[in-house]
Amino acid sequence: DGGITQSPKYLFRKEGQNVTLSCEQNLNHDAMYWYRQDPGQGLRLIYYSQIVNDFQKGDIAEGYSVSREKKESFPLTVTSAQKNPTAFYLCASSITGLNEQFFGPGTRLTVL
Amino acid sequence: AQTVTQSQPEMSVQEAETVTLSCTYDTSESDYYLFWYKQPPSRQMILVIRQEAYKQQNATENRFSVNFQKAAKSFSLKISDSQLGDAAMYFCAYRSAWNSNYQLIWGAGTKLIIKP
Repeated sequence: DGGITQSPKYLFRKEGQNVTLSCEQNLNHDAMYWYRQDPGQGLRLIYYSQIVNDFQKGDIAEGYSVSREKKESFPLTVTSAQKNPTAFYLCASSITGLNEQFFGPGTRLTVL
Repeated sequence: AQTVTQSQPEMSVQEAETVTLSCTYDTSESDYYLFWYKQPPSRQMILVIRQEAYKQQNATENRFSVNFQKAAKSFSLKISDSQLGDAAMYFCAYRSAWNSNYQLIWGAGTKLIIKP
């Protein structure tokens, strides 16, 4: 089945630790995105990538980092510099930046 | 900068009835796209319907249709014959046709409750 997978579904982190969220897609999409969702708010863009080995900051990139070494994969690292990392993180992809975005099931990150 | 506003934090409807969710947006652009996404309790975001601003005809997908009023910058979603499976958060989103990052701008969402 084609789709977007995110792992893990739930993630717990101690303060001061970096943690990496996985996002993989087998849809052959060029563009991939990371969003953060907080209660009562819409999604906010963290980073996006329109092609392998290239990515751009979104509105709330501070404290996050990404890589795009393979077309299928777009991992997100939440660093200790992110002041309030507890949130729900959604990964998305689209054929190109012009097309509809399709979403993975999300990862719930909780900082203890 | 573009903004998207959903003024109804929560709506409820009786099963089998029709409900309309509101969305307004602010933009100075003439060419753009509008979307409605559904987020059920599983939290996976699912595309419900899209509308191109250059099209006058309102988009329709089975029981879901939109009322796109470009001059008023309004984009409401109508759900006919509501079903229990329609219960979810619904998000309205905007995307410029020209912005090089093709970023989606999101509303805060409307929680739809279906009463059996």
